[in-house]
This record gives sequence, structure tokens and C-alpha cells, in this order.
Amino acid sequence: AQSVSQHNHHVILSEAASLELGCNYSYGGTVNLFWYVQYPGQHLQLLLKYFSGDPLVKGIKGFEAEFIKSKFSFNLRKPSVQWCDTAEYFCAVNGFQKLVFGTGTRLLVSP
Amino acid sequence: DAGVTQSPTHLIKTRGQQVTLRCSPKSGHDTVSWYQQALGQGPQFIFQYYEEEERQRGNFPDRFSGHQFPNYSSELNVNALLLGDSALYLCASRPTPAVNYRSGYTFGSGTRLTVV
Repeated sequence: AQSVSQHNHHVILSEAASLELGCNYSYGGTVNLFWYVQYPGQHLQLLLKYFSGDPLVKGIKGFEAEFIKSKFSFNLRKPSVQWCDTAEYFCAVNGFQKLVFGTGTRLLVSP
Repeated sequence: DAGVTQSPTHLIKTRGQQVTLRCSPKSGHDTVSWYQQALGQGPQFIFQYYEEEERQRGNFPDRFSGHQFPNYSSELNVNALLLGDSALYLCASRPTPAVNYRSGYTFGSGTRLTVV
């Protein structure tokens, strides 16, 4: 069965700090991996996705993620966070016909 | 604008009642999935509809049922509501993989269901 583990449930950073959110997955087939962001009161938005090819994926708003197959990981990074990055971040793996999500990481960026 | 439209946005129901939630997929999308997001949790897959048929189902009881219409819109029905059904219900759509297999899912803003 597919599963996704996000290690950090709450992260607090100051503006300009670097961000790395951990994500590990368990899935026996070909993996498609996603990071979604949910800003307060808004819908889930796709940040980036990995299907194949270059394991370093660049997404919107300066986010990137690296797929490391040997570690079953797909960590999200951003070199310098801003106050507007305050949101909840979800890692997901695409199992057969469905997305399996992690429990999410709440990021609070203080000005 | 999410592109996926859900209604209503909020709903309060009493235990034992039945509820119907509605979803209109993004233009060009014909596959609709439903997810339940409990407080503090990630979304959990309920089921997926394509060509008006349920194609895949998650670990949810038969009280949860759905329907897809010829215009690709969808409904989620929950019978005999329990307090534990209180959650944000999300609809997600995508085009058929044959059309664009690299397309991710587009999510709606959800319906917040409170069971009292």
C-alpha cells in the first residue's frame, strides 16, 4: 500500500531563512510525486510535480524538490522564505487512480 | 479561481441525516475524485469517477456514495451522518490520462461539513 510520511508537523521560520520540508514515500510502482500548498482559506494548489527525468524539479514561487530514489524521498526546498509562504504543505504520491497525501506541514513565517 | 467549483461552501447537518455535495470539474477535465480532509490531517481518497462509473474506491463505508453526470459534474452523498464525518470535502478533477498523463489534479475549495 502507498503511504507518505511528512516528518515536520509544524515549522516556524523567520523571513529570508531557508526551508526544507521532508517527505518520504512508500510505493512499489512507478512514482509520480507532488507537493501541494494550502494557503489559509484557499484551495489546494500544485507547487510542483515529478514524473520522470531530472530528479531536481522546479516549481512555482521559487520552490524546488529533489527526488532521491534510493532514499524514497522528495523533499521540498526554498532558499529564502517570505511571510506570504505561511501555509500548509502536503506531499503526495500518485497511486493507481488516486493521490495519497501526507499529514501536512504547517509553516509559519514571521516577518 | 480554482477552476473546480464546489457547492455549498459550508453545511451544518444533524447526526443521522443525509447530505449531498456537488462538484463541477475544471473545463476540459472528465475525471473527478473526492477526498475527505479531517482537521489536522491530509486529504483521504474517497472515490473516483470516470465515464459516469466509480473506478476506484478508498477505505470508506458504503454510506458514502457518488454519482457522475454526462456533463462530468459529480455528487457525493453521505447517509446516516456521524459526528466523525465532520470534515472538509474536496473535489479534484483531471483530464483523462490518455489526453495528458502528466497533468496533476486540480482541487476545488471544498465543502466544510459540520455534523452536530
